[in-house]
Amino acid sequence: QSALTQPPSASGSPGQSVTISCTGTSSDVGGYNYVSWYQQYPGKAPKLMIYEVSKRPSGVPDRFSGSKSGYTASLTVSGLQAEDEADYYCSSYAGSNSVVFGGGTKLTVL
Amino acid sequence: EVQLVESGGGLVQPGRSLRLSCTASGFTFGDYAMSWVRQAPGKGLEWVNFIRSKVYGGTTEYAASVKGRFSISRDDSKSIAYLQMNSLKTEDTAVYYCTRLGPGSVFQHWGQGTLVTVSS
Repeated sequence: QSALTQPPSASGSPGQSVTISCTGTSSDVGGYNYVSWYQQYPGKAPKLMIYEVSKRPSGVPDRFSGSKSGYTASLTVSGLQAEDEADYYCSSYAGSNSVVFGGGTKLTVL
Repeated sequence: EVQLVESGGGLVQPGRSLRLSCTASGFTFGDYAMSWVRQAPGKGLEWVNFIRSKVYGGTTEYAASVKGRFSISRDDSKSIAYLQMNSLKTEDTAVYYCTRLGPGSVFQHWGQGTLVTVSS
């Protein structure tokens, strides 16, 4: 499977909202409601932020939200804070017992 | 608290083998599928494989890039997952993360990662 498509970078000022997209195909994002989002700081392990398109694990601020339309999933970060500056990856179940990740988006808080 | 601790990484020559271990604590290991995800230096995340819990047969699945060379296994009595890597290639150089896998292919918890460098 090919990697999901994410923009290489995104940015916003503190307090603003930013949306990161994740585009796939009918075989992955479009075919299943199994899209997840992960936050990764430099040199650290990723952390689960959103699963099953829009669900938040306990402890993840409600400033983080997820959605999906067709073949594109989105992660929105509202009320941007300096600590949100990190890399963000999406992933999706891709059928045939496989998983595919996006290429990652570097979020910069201006 | 869920903890996953990887070990066994290091420098290895192309064509050789290496085995990684992932020691889990803070949850009932046998109840969960486990998975390895890797990240080449400066690159994105790549799913490697997973192993189901014994309730679901303990069966395994692999990414095409490692199928036939890598093998995942588990010892529920010790709460350890293993990644046996054979016929290593330079492109296998990466940080390897052990993860606990939830329904819907969600990587719920991650270890700190262990670096594998394949070089002559």
